[in-house]
Amino acid sequence: EVQLLQSGGGLVQPGGSLTVSCEASGFTFSNYAMTWVRQAPGKGLEWVSVISGGGDATYYTDSVKGRFTISRDDSKNTLFLQMNSLRPEDTAIYFCGRGRAADYWGQGILVTVSS
Amino acid sequence: IQMTQSPSSLSASIGDRVTITCRASQGINNYLAWFQQKPGKAPKSLIYAASTLQSGVPSKFSGSGSGTDFGLTISNLQPEDFAIYYCQQYHSYPITFGQGTRLQIK
Repeated sequence: EVQLLQSGGGLVQPGGSLTVSCEASGFTFSNYAMTWVRQAPGKGLEWVSVISGGGDATYYTDSVKGRFTISRDDSKNTLFLQMNSLRPEDTAIYFCGRGRAADYWGQGILVTVSS
Repeated sequence: IQMTQSPSSLSASIGDRVTITCRASQGINNYLAWFQQKPGKAPKSLIYAASTLQSGVPSKFSGSGSGTDFGLTISNLQPEDFAIYYCQQYHSYPITFGQGTRLQIK
């Protein structure tokens, strides 16, 4: 059974940093691209970033370029999103997903950026 | 690539058949997925490659289209089908979602 278990959210002040994680099981993690999607309170889905299987290619939405870094540790079947210089508008539930088309999703984790 | 869904909201009755449309601002071949999201839950993948049903998704859901115009049809609506539906293009980066269609009980 494919499972994606997320951790690491919380409250952070504007300008601060936070890393969220997504531990995968039930499939060969290294074979799949992995995606981050976020959803601001009461809003729709917004794609954030993707990393290729093997980690040699990464892409970001414009609003997070230079501030967020996606990475993966295939030895630990874990995906990361390191978020720096956080802004109030980054407040959202962050979801990880398998593949570019996100056929499986994590449970979501709330990141709140507020003073 | 901008994805535009219509309608933004839709009221329907139990047993009805409804279609949600999604238009891409440029051609995306069939790199189109559909998701269902219920309150407080993660989205669930329904369809990928425009018309391929995800494993375990009932055949009451069907997808159609290619290029720029796509549709999601849901037959025989049941209470558990009332949710928000999103389309997504994964043809090119940045990947983009439609704004969502809220399906409500009439």
